[in-house]
Amino acid sequence: EAQVTQNPRYLITVTGKKLTVTCSQNMNHEYMSWYRQDPGLGLRQIYYSMNVEVTDKGDVPEGYKVSRKEKRNFPLILESPSPNQTSLYFCASSLSGDNEQFFGPGTRLTVL
Amino acid sequence: AQSVSQHNHHVILSEAASLELGCNYSYGGTVNLFWYVQYPGQHLQLLLKYFSGDPLVKGIKGFEAEFIKSKFSFNLRKPSVQWSDTAEYFCAVNTGFQKLVFGTGTRLLVSP
Repeated sequence: EAQVTQNPRYLITVTGKKLTVTCSQNMNHEYMSWYRQDPGLGLRQIYYSMNVEVTDKGDVPEGYKVSRKEKRNFPLILESPSPNQTSLYFCASSLSGDNEQFFGPGTRLTVL
Repeated sequence: AQSVSQHNHHVILSEAASLELGCNYSYGGTVNLFWYVQYPGQHLQLLLKYFSGDPLVKGIKGFEAEFIKSKFSFNLRKPSVQWSDTAEYFCAVNTGFQKLVFGTGTRLLVSP
């Protein structure tokens, strides 16, 4: 089944404790992206990647890192999480940056 | 910067009522347009998309949308809503810069 998977689905952590949210797709998509969803703000793009080793900032990249060492994986790294990063995070992939995106199930992160 | 406006933040309808959700974007060039739906507790799914051609596009579950270039609009419509259409609806625009910009979403509640 074609899908985007994320882990973990739920995470509660404390300020400053480094964490990684994994994202994997099995559709051989070139493009992958991370979004955060906050009430009243919709989805905002954090980072995106057009291919392996090619990443770029989205609209809200501060406090996040990404890497794209393999085509299928695009982990999101929070080196020192803060409470304002409490949010619902979605990973997405697509054939290209202007095509429809397929979304993962989301990761609900709470930073205390 | 490109932006997407969804003017209706909350919509409440009775079953069988007609639905129209507004979406306007600010970009003068070529765009790809999308409507996504997020059912409670689920990830985003594509309802329909417009790349070129007939400006009236039909999507899944009886939804359709009309692209009016002169008005920079891509409104979503459904002639008769069902209780199962209760969800949050997001308009999104891609302007060819490898980024998908989302509106803030419209929460639709359909009462039986």
